[in-house]
Amino acid sequence: AQKITQTQPGMFVQEKEAVTLDCTYDTSDPSYGLFWYKQPSSGEMIFLIYQGSYDQQNATEGRYSLNFQKARKSANLVISASQLGDSAMYFCAMREGGGSTLGRLYFGRGTQLTVWP
Amino acid sequence: NAGVMQNPRHLVRRRGQEARLRCSPMKGHSHVYWYRQLPEEGLKFMVYLQKENIIDESGMPKERFSAEFPKEGPSILRIQQVVRGDSAAYFCASSSTGREENTIYFGEGSWLTVV
Repeated sequence: AQKITQTQPGMFVQEKEAVTLDCTYDTSDPSYGLFWYKQPSSGEMIFLIYQGSYDQQNATEGRYSLNFQKARKSANLVISASQLGDSAMYFCAMREGGGSTLGRLYFGRGTQLTVWP
Repeated sequence: NAGVMQNPRHLVRRRGQEARLRCSPMKGHSHVYWYRQLPEEGLKFMVYLQKENIIDESGMPKERFSAEFPKEGPSILRIQQVVRGDSAAYFCASSSTGREENTIYFGEGSWLTVV
């Protein structure tokens, strides 16, 4: 089974509007972390936001927020007030446990976001 | 602070040659990870290293691939006798310890093309 599923290959949003990128995950480990990364056309991977499985509140970082619904195993990324520079591929990722698996992230296949004027 | 530094950004190798990719983690980071991104796919974990130790290499192909993170100098991902299927983007990432370990920063990637 896929650890991370991103069902939206592409999304379009108008500048200044909000957009939600979907992510569902599959794990039986009670301790896990969820990450979102942005990959613009230049190729680098940019860390956006992190949510721990025991965190009580949804994570927020500037215009990014993570809508964490534990029972549904979903970790959707919400981008408010979209900007043209937000056009990129967005990846959801999960880490299970810690220790020796600290850096083993499972990535989804990504969602290509296009922001239009 | 300088981010995760990878070089070269682009590398072309003929089949059968060796490829060496280098990664310097962010200052103060002691954990290094290597990932591979094949075209149209997400990243796949390869290996997790700390100084002079391989912690988790569960994602490394059993042959031709090796990684090290010596006491001094950058981490190296080495691919011997490259084949066309090794063409991919290779990303290095690093993290700190304690409360900061949840923030895993990636470098800009090294694009390997095997011709």
